[in-house]
Amino acid sequence: DIQMTQSPSSLSASVGDRVTITCRASQGISNYLAWFQQKPGKAPKSLIYAASSLQSGVPSKFSGSGSGTDFTLTISSLQPEDFATYYCQQYNSYPPAFGPGTKVDIK
Amino acid sequence: EVQLVESGGGLVQPGGSLRLSCAASGFTFSSYSMNWVRQAPGKGLEWVSYISSSSSTIYYADSVKGRFTISRDNAKNSLYLQMNSLRDEDTAVYYCARDSRYYVAYFDYWGQGTLVTVSS
Repeated sequence: DIQMTQSPSSLSASVGDRVTITCRASQGISNYLAWFQQKPGKAPKSLIYAASSLQSGVPSKFSGSGSGTDFTLTISSLQPEDFATYYCQQYNSYPPAFGPGTKVDIK
Repeated sequence: EVQLVESGGGLVQPGGSLRLSCAASGFTFSSYSMNWVRQAPGKGLEWVSYISSSSSTIYYADSVKGRFTISRDNAKNSLYLQMNSLRDEDTAVYYCARDSRYYVAYFDYWGQGTLVTVSS
C-alpha cells in the first residue's frame, strides 16, 4: 500500500501570508494526487485534483504542483476563511490513502 | 446542486451492528461510483469502501473486510453500509463520498457525515 506523509503537521500564519504545504508519497503516483480542506465539524471539501487542477468553484489563490512522489499545495494570500486542516490523498492505486493532515492556524 | 445526506449513525455496543444510509440528489446517481470514508475523533481520514456504479466492483479496506458490506440501490438514489461485529476502533464520523466522473477514487463531493460510536 502507498503511504502518504505531509509536512509540516501544523503551522501558524498571518492573514496575507503565502503558505506552502508539502506531501510525499511512498512510491510514485504520477499526478494522481488531490488536496482537501476541512474545517472543524465539517466535511472535507475538495480543492485540487490531478496534482494541479482546481476543483470547480475553488478560488485561484489555491494552487498545486508536483508529480511522482513530491507535491505541494500553496495558498497565495491567506485569508481568515482559509484557517483549516489540509489533507493530501493519492488515488493512483487502491487503497486510496490520505496524508495525516496539516493544521493551519492563526499566528 | 450535488447533495449527499448520511443517516443511521448512533451508539452501539461492541459486537453490534448498524446500517448507514446515504441519500443522493442533484446528479445521476446511477452513473457514479461511490465510497465510504471515515474519521475517528480528532484523527485523519480513512477510506473504508468503494462500490462501482453498477455494483459490479466492490473494494474494502483491510480494517473492515469481512465485517462491513457496501451496497447501493440506484432506483432509490441511495448508498448503504452494513456494519457488523463493530469494535471500539470503528468509532468515527462516516462520510459518503462520490467518485469523480473521470478519476476513480478522487472524491469530488462529500456528505456532512454521520457519527458512529461503539461503546459499552
